Amino acid sequence: AAGVIQSPRHLIKEKRETATLKCYPIPRHDTVYWYQQGPGQDPQFLISFYEKMQSDKGSIPDRFSAQQFSDYHSELNMSSLELGDSALYFCASSAPLNEKLFFGSGTQLSVL
Amino acid sequence: AQTVTQSQPEMSVQEAETVTLSCTYDTSESDYYLFWYKQPPSRQMILVIRQEAYKQQNATENRFSVNFQKAAKSFSLKISDSQLGDAAMYFCAYRSGGYGGSQGNLIFGKGTKLSVKP
Repeated sequence: AAGVIQSPRHLIKEKRETATLKCYPIPRHDTVYWYQQGPGQDPQFLISFYEKMQSDKGSIPDRFSAQQFSDYHSELNMSSLELGDSALYFCASSAPLNEKLFFGSGTQLSVL
Repeated sequence: AQTVTQSQPEMSVQEAETVTLSCTYDTSESDYYLFWYKQPPSRQMILVIRQEAYKQQNATENRFSVNFQKAAKSFSLKISDSQLGDAAMYFCAYRSGGYGGSQGNLIFGKGTKLSVKP
């Protein structure tokens, strides 16, 4: 069965650089979620999109932005990267009328 | 705001034995879902089991079962016949009811690290 695809798996950036993370949800899933998980922490919700519109917003810094495209894939854009942005970034998707979230393998971002 | 509390940072179990992980939550909502996710060292988040708040019957998935006490706002996970592959971080999570644009995101507890001894 198809799963949530995230790219890249690993990303190394310098402070003040920008990064773009991509997420391809499971086919026919209409909602995408982004989470940030710091070392030894629980995942923190950043933002979600339903049918290409932002549906909910969590603790996402103003330096970050995200969108969902017509093919339902989503991108998380991160600018002016800080050391504290180093984390595992998860994307998850859910199907219409279904409460289950399925997670991708995550993108490990390291900011040096 | 909803909160999820896991009071056991670490637990240990002998292979083939049974272990119970605790989770409590706080909410004023009547329509919600509860989940247990497993995160092994690979850091993949894997759904273990889910429970609908409106269902009184406890969910079961093979060796995994829950004890859902709605009045007490308690949602514990029981793992029977523990296996080495069960060693992981386990997160309890809450989600408000609704679909589509009103879908809520997952709120996680801090996690319980489970070790399985051979």
